[in-house]
Amino acid sequence: EDKVVQSPLSLVVHEGDTVTLNCSYEVTNFRSLLWYKQEKKAPTFLFMLTSSGIEKKSGRLSSILDKKELFSILNITATQTGDSAVYLCAVEAVGMNRDDKIIFGKGTRLHILP
Amino acid sequence: NAGVMQNPRHLVRRRGQEARLRCSPMKGHSHVYWYRQLPEEGLKFMVYLQKENIIDESGMPKERFSAEFPKEGPSILRIQQVVRGDSAAYFCASSLLRIPHRDYGYTFGSGTRLTVV
Repeated sequence: EDKVVQSPLSLVVHEGDTVTLNCSYEVTNFRSLLWYKQEKKAPTFLFMLTSSGIEKKSGRLSSILDKKELFSILNITATQTGDSAVYLCAVEAVGMNRDDKIIFGKGTRLHILP
Repeated sequence: NAGVMQNPRHLVRRRGQEARLRCSPMKGHSHVYWYRQLPEEGLKFMVYLQKENIIDESGMPKERFSAEFPKEGPSILRIQQVVRGDSAAYFCASSLLRIPHRDYGYTFGSGTRLTVV
């Protein structure tokens, strides 16, 4: 069965700290891995990763994929209270009928203390 | 472009009633996905539709749940005879292509929070 596992499930750090969120996966016919940030509304897209070893960066956020070890990390440096959210990892896989399917992890709930 | 619009934002139903959740995709998007999010759980895939067709409904419960995406109008997720366990946030996402875009993935709506009392 396809699965996506995120760790830790929750994390509390102080403003200014750096955090690393983990996502490991086991899927058949991997196509891409996506990171989303979810506050009290719609998940907002952060990154899409398809190739191993190529870091994607956006401001203080960066992410990298390891297709050999089947995991990705999301780094946030110099955290701010506005980074408090649930971070969702999702993997896109090609399903049985050649349809793309997105499988989400349970998320990491990040809380930044001022 | 108003993005993906879901309504209502909050819906309260008594056990046994029907719930109808609506999703209007982004303009030009013909692919719609419905997800359910339970407390402390990730988003669980329910169904994938492309204008008038159900492409993949492998995540839909076999009974009481149905979805449609007519030629005109929004996509509808319908839950008949709701039970307490149906209480959850239901998110809809849309995309231009069958696969997520490399720069913005799928675009999600703000969700409908269904509470069954």
